[in-house]
Parts: sequence; C-alpha cells; structure tokens
Amino acid sequence: GQQLNQSPQSMFIQEGEDVSMNCTSSSIFNTWLWYKQDPGEGPVLLIALYKAGELTSNGRLTAQFGITRKDSFLNISASIPSDVGIYFCAGRSGSARQLTFGSGTQLTVLP
Amino acid sequence: KAGVTQTPRYLIKTRGQQVTLSCSPISGHRSVSWYQQTPGQGLQFLFEYFSETQRNKGNFPGRFSGRQFSNSRSEMNVSTLELGDSALYLCASSLDYGGSYEQYFGPGTRLTVT
Repeated sequence: GQQLNQSPQSMFIQEGEDVSMNCTSSSIFNTWLWYKQDPGEGPVLLIALYKAGELTSNGRLTAQFGITRKDSFLNISASIPSDVGIYFCAGRSGSARQLTFGSGTQLTVLP
Repeated sequence: KAGVTQTPRYLIKTRGQQVTLSCSPISGHRSVSWYQQTPGQGLQFLFEYFSETQRNKGNFPGRFSGRQFSNSRSEMNVSTLELGDSALYLCASSLDYGGSYEQYFGPGTRLTVT
C-alpha cells in the first residue's frame, strides 16, 4: 500500500524560531493535506494542496506541494507556544479515494 | 457553521461487548469517513460512507461496521470487542464524494476496552 514517511518524528524549538517538517511518499500523490492535532482532540485541517509546485500560506504556516509530486513541506515561522501539538501530513494518490496519513511530527515550543 | 460532532466522547467497555459510536457531519457535508487512531499504528482508515452507501473500506475485520442515514449522520459499530480495539475513533466529513478531498475531523470518541 501507499507509504508516507514524515520527518522529523519530534522537534524541540525555542519560541520565535522557524520550523520545517516534510513528508515523502513512495508513489505520486495528487493531493496533500496538513493537519494539526492537540491532545484529546481531532486533527484540524491547516492547508490543502492540489497542484505540483503549489505554495500556500495560512498565517504563519506555509506548505508546498513538491514538484516531483512525491513530497510536501510545512513551514511554521516565528513559532509561539500554541503551535505545540502533533502535525500530520496526509495524501491521496491516483484513483484512491481514502487519505493516507503520515506518522506525525510532535512539536514542542520552549519558552 | 457547527463542526463535526461525535458522541460519546469517552467510553469504557469490557471484552466481548459491542459498541456503537455516532457522528454528525458538518451541515451540508454528505461524505463521512471513520478512522482509528492508536499510538502504535497512527491514523488508520476504516471506511467511508456517501449517500447511505459504503464507498470505501480499509483493512479491518468484519467486526467493524458502519452505516449512514439519510441526513448524512453516521454510526460505526464494533462487535465482540478486543483489548486491541482501545483507540481514539475519529470521524471526518467532507462536502461530497467525487470532489473535495478536504476532510474535517470531529473531536473523536476515546474507547477503552478492559
């Protein structure tokens, strides 16, 4: 089946620093979604990408759909304490309807 | 517009019992997907419903089943519960089946099997 490798698994950063995380797939994807999950809650959709090379921002968050269509990146600028949580990438390839999720990046922001 | 709601939020059951979880999608959304989330396996797709029909199914045993009603609300059922079924069960809704793939998640139901 489809595999998504998300890295890093965890990150510890100082407040104010920029953060970057990525996902790579073994197959070509047509859709990339990025979610954030807080403890005890469901994932919240942050950004959706539908075209290779697409760069989309949502406030301090910026995500890109890789031109090879096998990867995606999420950047968070000037991190703040409320950025703490688990970030998931999700993708869809070919004619598949269901999303495949990465294993998540646990982000900790230190004061 | 209200988000996806799931009931109950927490549930404790014993092995061998069965359980039914409920999901109400965002108003106007017609597609509902279910996922199981565990620390070891991450987010695993269970099934998707659209127009009261199961359109897609993940790799889970037949003990896991679901249905969708005419108002798009969905339920999932797990019979003969096993300890390994302990997980956060997430429901996600999207506008339709053939178009947007943006899925919006509910808060989940935390199921503990003892």
